[in-house]
Amino acid sequence: TQLLEQSPQFLSIQEGENLTVYCNSSSVFSSLQWYRQEPGEGPVLLVTVVTGGEVKKLKRLTFQFGDARKDSSLHITAAQTGDTGLYLCAGAPRRGSTLGRLYFGRGTQLTVWP
Amino acid sequence: DTEVTQTPKHLVMGMTNKKSLKCEQHMGHRAMYWYKQKAKKPPELMFVYSYEKLSINESVPSRFSPECPNSSLLNLHLHALQPEDSALYLCASTPLPFRDRDSGNTIYFGEGSWLTVV
Repeated sequence: TQLLEQSPQFLSIQEGENLTVYCNSSSVFSSLQWYRQEPGEGPVLLVTVVTGGEVKKLKRLTFQFGDARKDSSLHITAAQTGDTGLYLCAGAPRRGSTLGRLYFGRGTQLTVWP
Repeated sequence: DTEVTQTPKHLVMGMTNKKSLKCEQHMGHRAMYWYKQKAKKPPELMFVYSYEKLSINESVPSRFSPECPNSSLLNLHLHALQPEDSALYLCASTPLPFRDRDSGNTIYFGEGSWLTVV
């Protein structure tokens, strides 16, 4: 059973288009992290969202944490070829649990064509 | 310095070889982790070290043997691996082993070691 459902699994778009990636769960998380990973490299943290309803912006990327802290979304405006990569959401466990036991979504492989 | 450094970046080994992967962090973090990641899949937790002691082993085969010589170093000793063990092995660290909502407990990943077993 996948604790975090991430969709879509694959996304192929033209440069300049907008896109949204979703991460949903029936469980509540203390926080949720979004990573971007390029082939052969480790995941690079993009953002951590902690508070229900929180919205964070990172240039053309907008991250939202659901009010109930069960879901999150990543929206990219005017995608660029450099945005190509594997995007992973990961939920951190509740307080008192082992921090490094992140629950990862399956990932979204984004390809942006010129 | 917010780096987790892993060596080697690439390793090719035979099924009878003994090799080791190394991980180092100088952020004063007291929890370190080994993850395994297959292509286009999310990372899977293997081991957790908390204050230099093994606290979690996610039913990993004994051909993988972790070691934490001190608070900055984490090794993964490899012996008699199988071709299906070929993957990206990621080391990570966090300031504390247990979640404290009021702390910035971000998990930091290294760049990984690509392992190919032939």
